Amino acid sequence: IAGITQAPTSQILAAGRRMTLRCTQDMRHNAMYWYRQDLGLGLRLIHYSNTAGTTGKGEVPDGYSVSRANTDDFPLTLASAVPSQTSVYFCASSEGTGPNTEAFFGQGTRLTVV
Amino acid sequence: GQNIDQPTEMTATEGAIVQINCTYQTSGFNGLFWYQQHAGEAPTFLSYNVLDGLEEKGRFSSFLSRSKGYSYLLLKELQMKDSASYLCAVVDSNYQLIWGAGTKLIIKP
Repeated sequence: IAGITQAPTSQILAAGRRMTLRCTQDMRHNAMYWYRQDLGLGLRLIHYSNTAGTTGKGEVPDGYSVSRANTDDFPLTLASAVPSQTSVYFCASSEGTGPNTEAFFGQGTRLTVV
Repeated sequence: GQNIDQPTEMTATEGAIVQINCTYQTSGFNGLFWYQQHAGEAPTFLSYNVLDGLEEKGRFSSFLSRSKGYSYLLLKELQMKDSASYLCAVVDSNYQLIWGAGTKLIIKP
């Protein structure tokens, strides 16, 4: 049982480069999310998708884009990376979007922009 | 603004009990989650409270007081494997999750 798979697990990226973080889930969950986690801060929502074909902006969307062509995949793209995007990125999914819906997280992608 | 406050770090002894507090100020309230996150790993679900009171689940219990904007996670019979960060998150009026920075719990033998 894979759950949510993120790739790569870690990456060092030159500033200005384009990068796509991959996220795939096999639970047929409707909702998917991208968070970044920085030391001393809570998880911050970048983008989300409540169902395939729809996306929305979270708390910190600038510099990032997402797409949701199908239920399983939710890639996050950094068009032109900057050092402030150095972070640990977590993809998550949930069966629905109700308030009591548990989120399942991937193992994270540690990204360093130099 | 929206704010979730948790202690940054706590230390406890194996076999003991520890209480991790979380206070929140959010635009609306639709429930509160606790997640556990071991170092370098993904957060995993522990509990969800939406009504006042105590919810017990094995060695872990979670308490909520909506009028006080307060929750705590109680861990009993601490084990070394409980060393982790504990994240408090509140569902606001827009059904968005607002996350605290987490409490790093260190268990000593």
